[in-house]
Amino acid sequence: EVQLVESGGGLVQPGGSLRLSCAASGFSFSTYALHWVRQAPGKGLEWVSSISSGSSSIYYADSVKGRFTVSRDDAKNSLFLQMNSLRDDDTAVYYCARVDVWVELDCWGQGTLVTVSS
Amino acid sequence: SYALTQPLSVSVALGQTATITCAGYNIGGKNVHWYQQKPGQAPVLVIYRDTNRPSGIPERFSASNSGNTATLTISRAQGGDEADYYCQVWDGSTGWVVFGGGTNLTVL
Repeated sequence: EVQLVESGGGLVQPGGSLRLSCAASGFSFSTYALHWVRQAPGKGLEWVSSISSGSSSIYYADSVKGRFTVSRDDAKNSLFLQMNSLRDDDTAVYYCARVDVWVELDCWGQGTLVTVSS
Repeated sequence: SYALTQPLSVSVALGQTATITCAGYNIGGKNVHWYQQKPGQAPVLVIYRDTNRPSGIPERFSASNSGNTATLTISRAQGGDEADYYCQVWDGSTGWVVFGGGTNLTVL
């Protein structure tokens, strides 16, 4: 069974940092691109970042560029999101998702909640 | 940057057909994907590459894409179809994934 499990969320003060992890199982992790998508409370889906297989292509939304860094460890079947200089508007549930051939997000984790508040 | 526009809400009578639109410039030239999200749950892919259903998605879900509008159609709507629906494309010029704002479907 294909599975993605996020962890690392929590409460952090503005200006602080968090590192999210996404553990994958049930598929050939190294051959897939992966994305982070977030959803603020009561709001829609917002794409955050993507990383290709082999980490050759990395993209960020303008809202997080320069503050967030995506990475992957294929040996550990894990995806990461290092979040620095966090702001109130970064408060959201963060999902990791696997991407298939047509850039559709065909498998999602259950999400991890990040709350930025003083 | 590329933008997708969806209606905030759509209502449909039980057993009837619901139509949710997703507007974007020349969206017909892109691959459109649709997601269903129920409260407290992660999104689920229901349509990929304009018209294709992943395994396990009922045939009642169908879609089309042409010109400046993509459309998700849910036939014989059931109470279990109540959810938020999002369209999504990939913007090749930036490498970004773009989501529509989402449409809340209510089955009356």
